Amino acid sequence: DAGVTQSPTHLIKTRGQHVTLRCSPISGHKSVSWYQQVLGQGPQFIFQYYEKEERGRGNFPDRFSARQFPNYSSELNVNALLLGDSALYLCASSSRTGYEQFFGPGTRLTVL
Amino acid sequence: EDQVTQSPEALRLQEGESSSLNCSYTVSGLRGLFWYRQDPGKGPEFLFTLYSAGEEKEKERLKATLTKKESFLHITAPKPEDSATYLCAAGKGRDDKIIFGKGTRLHILP
Repeated sequence: DAGVTQSPTHLIKTRGQHVTLRCSPISGHKSVSWYQQVLGQGPQFIFQYYEKEERGRGNFPDRFSARQFPNYSSELNVNALLLGDSALYLCASSSRTGYEQFFGPGTRLTVL
Repeated sequence: EDQVTQSPEALRLQEGESSSLNCSYTVSGLRGLFWYRQDPGKGPEFLFTLYSAGEEKEKERLKATLTKKESFLHITAPKPEDSATYLCAAGKGRDDKIIFGKGTRLHILP
């Protein structure tokens, strides 16, 4: 079975632009979570969706938004990009809430 | 405030030299304690889930244990391919929110 997939793998944007990152969960997984990881730090929780509903939100500004589609894939949108948004964005899926999450390879976002 | 703290930040060992990584946590409504391995530029790879104090899990040279305030990842006779960052994370509440520590960078010298 394929693991969690994310696209694109790398992305370069300039300040003020917006970006859309995509994630496909493991087949059968209905929960998708998004994390931001800056160099030298652990992943920081951004959003969690289960059955297309937002179930949790981390301490990120409203410039960050996400949604989950009927096939359980998900998008993370970031508007008005700042230099500080440069990071590895990770998507993780799980079969049920409260269970272990499996991560994708991440999208490396660079904001210039 | 919910917090997960890992120590040491970095650890260099000779091949075959056993050691332990520490993860202390203060999380309300803990639902599970997770260990992940992360190689540079890649997503974290799931290793273990621990749900209750006293629980132990093993996989090859790794063994994870859990108490009410800490978890340990014991590495027995490590090999250079065990070099990676090891992340500890606590799951809380009824959602999937997971709080990660900053990780321990482990380097095994041949």
